[in-house]
Amino acid sequence: DSGVTQTPKHLITATGQRVTLRCSPRSGDLSVYWYQQSLDQGLQFLIQYYNGEERAKGNILERFSAQQFPDLHSELNLSSLELGDSALYFCASGHPSTYEQYFGPGTRLTVT
Amino acid sequence: AQSVTQLGSHVSVSEGALVLLRCNYSSSVPPYLFWYVQYPNQGLQLLLKYTSAATLVKGINGFEAEFKKSETSFHLTKPSAHMSDAAEYFCAVISSSGSARQLTFGSGTQLTVLP
Repeated sequence: DSGVTQTPKHLITATGQRVTLRCSPRSGDLSVYWYQQSLDQGLQFLIQYYNGEERAKGNILERFSAQQFPDLHSELNLSSLELGDSALYFCASGHPSTYEQYFGPGTRLTVT
Repeated sequence: AQSVTQLGSHVSVSEGALVLLRCNYSSSVPPYLFWYVQYPNQGLQLLLKYTSAATLVKGINGFEAEFKKSETSFHLTKPSAHMSDAAEYFCAVISSSGSARQLTFGSGTQLTVLP
């Protein structure tokens, strides 16, 4: 158990809908990272938040957005969903003094 | 941009045999490198990391990796494979600027352990 929690574990929704994925980092970690894992794209970095502020951005679609709240939990919002958005979405957290990232169990999103 | 390449998308070894999973990196600066393991229907677990200290890095579950700058490699090894090692393994490099950090992953190597 990495100490990073993600909810929900599974999500099934229809095209065009909007969903919110939630992540709670390990105690003491200030950074939250979001990654997408799909069969065709592999593991891709989406976005990083550090102590409430956006720090780094990867290949995140404009339909996707994220935020980190004062209690350091983070939410990833996916809107106007398409079939191709079906994937595993991982959250990771890290402490500013180290480079390791610890991953949560993931949310499996299925868009039908 | 930093990147990693994993050679071999599938590797099969017999139980008790040496495990060797290959990773080469490309980086214009001294890299920070990681190996993660993913068991079916689970998240990624950190196996080990290289952060410019010792070139031979020991991780969990008997795995180790050696950083070789001359070969731009960071191969993962384990002397004796166990059935429980069957999983997908990812090599990753971190891009860092201040507190901004992102992992770039290789395409993964699926390890099968044969009885």
